[in-house]
Formats: sequence, C-alpha cells, structure tokens
Amino acid sequence: GESVGLHLPTLSVQEGDNSIINCAYSNSASDYFIWYKQESGKGPQFIIDIRSNMDKRQGQRVTVLLNKTVKHLSLQIAATQPGDSAVYFCAEKTSGSRLTFGEGTQLTVNP
Amino acid sequence: ETGVTQSPTHLIKTRGQQVTLRCSSQSGHNTVSWYQQALGQGPQFIFQYYREEENGRGNFPPRFSGLQFPNYSSELNVNALELDDSALYLCASSYAGNTLHEAFFGQGTRLTVV
Repeated sequence: GESVGLHLPTLSVQEGDNSIINCAYSNSASDYFIWYKQESGKGPQFIIDIRSNMDKRQGQRVTVLLNKTVKHLSLQIAATQPGDSAVYFCAEKTSGSRLTFGEGTQLTVNP
Repeated sequence: ETGVTQSPTHLIKTRGQQVTLRCSSQSGHNTVSWYQQALGQGPQFIFQYYREEENGRGNFPPRFSGLQFPNYSSELNVNALELDDSALYLCASSYAGNTLHEAFFGQGTRLTVV
C-alpha cells in the first residue's frame, strides 16, 4: 500500500550544526505534508507543513523542501540545539484528513 | 501545549478486558482522529470522527470503536484486549473547514496489556 518512509533511522549532530532529515513518500496524489517532532513520553508536535504546490517553506530555524519529481521531503534545522533532540516524523495527508506517518528519525544533538 | 487533552495518561489492563480512553479536542476544532503508536514506530491511523460520526477508518478490527460527543470530545473503546494492543494511543484534533487540516496531538495514553 501507499506509505511514507524515512531514509535514516538515526542522526547525530554537533550543537550548532545544521541538520537535515529526509523522507520518501510513495503516494503521488498526496497534497499536504507535515513534519512532527516527538519527544520521549509526549505526543507529536507540529513543526512545519507544506502543500504540494510549493517547493520550499521556511519557519523559525526550520525549512521544509519538497521534490515532487522524486517524491522526497526534507526537514532542515539550522543551528541545531540540544532541545532539538527528539524523533522526527514526516506525515502525508491521504484521504480526508488521515495522516500516514513514516517510522521516524531519532535526532541526537551532542553538546 | 496544543489544548488537546487525553486521559488517563497511563493504565494497565489484563488481556481480555475492555478499556475506554478519552480525548478533549482543542477549542474550535470539530474533528478528532485516533492513532495507535507502537514502541519505535510511527503513529497508525485508527479512525476519525466528524459531527459525531465515524469519517474514515484504518486497518483496525471492529473491537476498536469510538464516539464523538456534541462538544467534539471523543472516546476510544477497545474490547477484548490483546497483548499487541499495548501502545501509546494518540488523539489529534483539527478543524474540517481548514483546507490544510492541520492536526494537533495530545500527549497520549500509554496502555499496557498484561
């Protein structure tokens, strides 16, 4: 079936570096994508979203890039901080408001 | 904080029992979705409620059922609990009139079935 997956299960970076988390999706009909951050013991927290008619969207220290040609989504975090350590999920909106999540990438920020 | 609250935060049940989990949606939101998140996995869509009716369902058996109330709060009921039902159950609320349908999640209920 259609699914959203991630290229790397873990990512370790030094504090202050930029982080890039990748995601592949397979449903070419999806029109909306979201990145969530999930800290241990908490629910997913909305970070940033992007519609399929956009290639790039920027937020505070975060940028999402969408490449529809290769069905690839990425999340860039600038000047990564220890508080950014968490699991990051990309999610794809399929039918209605149903979200399909990938398996997640564990980001670890080393001081 | 998203304004989505879930209760209880943790509970332990015995195989075969029934459980009810509760969710209060964020103010102004009229749609509630439930997800199951197994350890180390991404959330899996269970079902969604809109205007007190089920509006989409994932690949979960009928022993997973739900309700939505006039105030848009919701319950998830699971009958005949199995060990594999142990997971974090997440509730997400959204507003159906928002074309982006941004969903905000609660903190989840950690269910352990023994």
